[in-house]
Amino acid sequence: GAVVSQHPSWVICKSGTSVKIECRSLDFQATTMFWYRQFPKQSLMLMATSNEGSKATYEQGVEKDKFLINHASLTLSTLTVTSAHPEDSSFYICSAIRQSHGDEKLFFGSGTQLSVL
Amino acid sequence: QKEVEQNSGPLSVPEGAIASLNCTYSDRGSQSFFWYRQYSGKSPELIMFIYSNGDKEDGRFTAQLNKASQYVSLLIRDSQPSDSATYLCALDRTDKLIFGTGTRLQVFP
Repeated sequence: GAVVSQHPSWVICKSGTSVKIECRSLDFQATTMFWYRQFPKQSLMLMATSNEGSKATYEQGVEKDKFLINHASLTLSTLTVTSAHPEDSSFYICSAIRQSHGDEKLFFGSGTQLSVL
Repeated sequence: QKEVEQNSGPLSVPEGAIASLNCTYSDRGSQSFFWYRQYSGKSPELIMFIYSNGDKEDGRFTAQLNKASQYVSLLIRDSQPSDSATYLCALDRTDKLIFGTGTRLQVFP
């Protein structure tokens, strides 16, 4: 079954509105989660690293005031796209690191397809 | 120069053939490499990872790493139509995954 749950799987919104995407680790605690964006036929681009209890680390070129990340608990990180515009339409994917017995494994959420009208 | 480069394809192979997917990288210090498969509209799923030079086999999949030449490849034996997907090569850079643009594989019956 899914190890990382991402919700919603798709969302359509009007330009200027905000959209929140949730990423939950199931059955494990994730101090670090990652948010990616993928445009059609392009690769995943890392947007930011979400750290529980502290501010997210954003990649160069990603506006932190536009893409708000909150990692308030060890099992939940949220990405809020504020004042969304059509150019923000993309596939957003989260991932989380599960650490177990000295081993680390990365699991991806199912992704969220955002369409901004 | 991109950190991770892949031919976008599509790579078309007949069912039962060997599909060979290649990836080159620019940072000679890179240590860990990953191959993910991504079906259209879905999130990536890990196929294999490789750290050491040489071959690593897992079922129908073989990953090959050549650090001197800075390339990593994925061989899929006995290709099936269900293998048709985009294959992403990724490397680990300070605990972040950097992805290539992916190669689209088409396996035709």
